[in-house]
Amino acid sequence: TQLLEQSPQFLSIQEGENLTVYCNSSSVFSSLQWYRQEPGEGPVLLVTVVTGGEVKKLKRLTFQFGDARKDSSLHITAAQPGDTGLYLCAVEDAGKSTFGDGTTLTVKP
Amino acid sequence: SQTIHQWPATLVQPVGSPLSLECTVEGTSNPNLYWYRQAAGRGLQLLFYSVGIGQISSEVPQNLSASRPQDRQFILSSKKLLLSDSGFYLCAWSFGWGYTFGSGTRLTVV
Repeated sequence: TQLLEQSPQFLSIQEGENLTVYCNSSSVFSSLQWYRQEPGEGPVLLVTVVTGGEVKKLKRLTFQFGDARKDSSLHITAAQPGDTGLYLCAVEDAGKSTFGDGTTLTVKP
Repeated sequence: SQTIHQWPATLVQPVGSPLSLECTVEGTSNPNLYWYRQAAGRGLQLLFYSVGIGQISSEVPQNLSASRPQDRQFILSSKKLLLSDSGFYLCAWSFGWGYTFGSGTRLTVV
């Protein structure tokens, strides 16, 4: 059983559209991270959320940590081709991180 | 600033050959270091992590081993590669609230 479930697995949209991807678990976490990975590169940290209900914004990206700290969402407004990539969520447990399988986002021009 | 270097970027090795992937970190001391493997377009599987010189924790029993001979050096090795060892290998260090990853090594075992 996966500790973190990410959905959807794949998402293909047109430039300018909005989208939301999700990271869910039945466990409670002290913090959660979101990463974006481009093909052939390592993941890059986008944000860390630590407080239940917390909302963080990074330009057109909005991250929310669930009130119960079991889930998180990433919303992108007016997606651009540069947003294309694999979006991974991760949680820390006993000094090491566990990653979800990610959402592969393709934004077509 | 802290940087992480990983090499080589790509590697094609025959079955049964040895492997050595190296990762070094600059700009920090006593980092927690990690080796992950990633299947194509999917999540990361933790292989090994190290909290200090000579201290290695293995997460998954397999054909690989890791060593940390120096504070900022982390090496992933194998004596005899298997086809199933193919994948994208990533080194990372933890700065407390997230990871910085290297650029990865694409290993193809043929």
